[in-house]
Amino acid sequence: EDQVTQSPEALRLQEGESSSLNCSYTVSGLRGLFWYRQDPGKGPEFLFTLYSAGEEKEKERLKATLTKKESFLHITAPKPEDSATYLCAVRPTGGFKTIFGAGTRLFVKA
Amino acid sequence: EAGVTQFPSHSVIEKGQTVTLRCDPISGHDNLYWYRRVMGKEIKFLLHFVKESKQDESGMPNNRFLAERTGGTYSTLKVQPAELEDSGVYFCASSQEYDGYTFGSGTRLTVV
Repeated sequence: EDQVTQSPEALRLQEGESSSLNCSYTVSGLRGLFWYRQDPGKGPEFLFTLYSAGEEKEKERLKATLTKKESFLHITAPKPEDSATYLCAVRPTGGFKTIFGAGTRLFVKA
Repeated sequence: EAGVTQFPSHSVIEKGQTVTLRCDPISGHDNLYWYRRVMGKEIKFLLHFVKESKQDESGMPNNRFLAERTGGTYSTLKVQPAELEDSGVYFCASSQEYDGYTFGSGTRLTVV
């Protein structure tokens, strides 16, 4: 069964304290892995798509990497405005359906 | 570019009543999706439209849920009759072929 597991469930950081979020996935065939950011009361906001192992994408303080079994979202020198829930999702081959993980709630304190 | 618009943003209805949610996707996006999150669980797939055609409705929980997409533009999701377990946040999203989704802000449905 296709599955996405994110860890930790919650992460508290001081401003400037770099860290990584983990996304482990099990899928028969991977069409794409997605990272989203979600703020309270809003829909998820698309960040990155990764298609194959070894691929990396960067955006401001965020960097996403992909292996055959997991993806990491690295946050460098986070700021309080980076506080949000970060969602990982996978799209199996053969369709457009996307499977979401439960998310990691990130809190960055000034 | 206008985003994905959903309304209402909140709906409170009694068990047994009918509710219709609406989604206006980004203009030009042929793919439209409905997802929902219930009680702190993961966001789960409901169905996928390509233009006006249902491409995959494997996530629809039962026949109380009916989705339509008129003329390949806006979509509606009707729940009739609503049950308590239908409470949650219903998200609509649209996309180009292989991109990530653009989500709406969701409709928070509460069935009492």
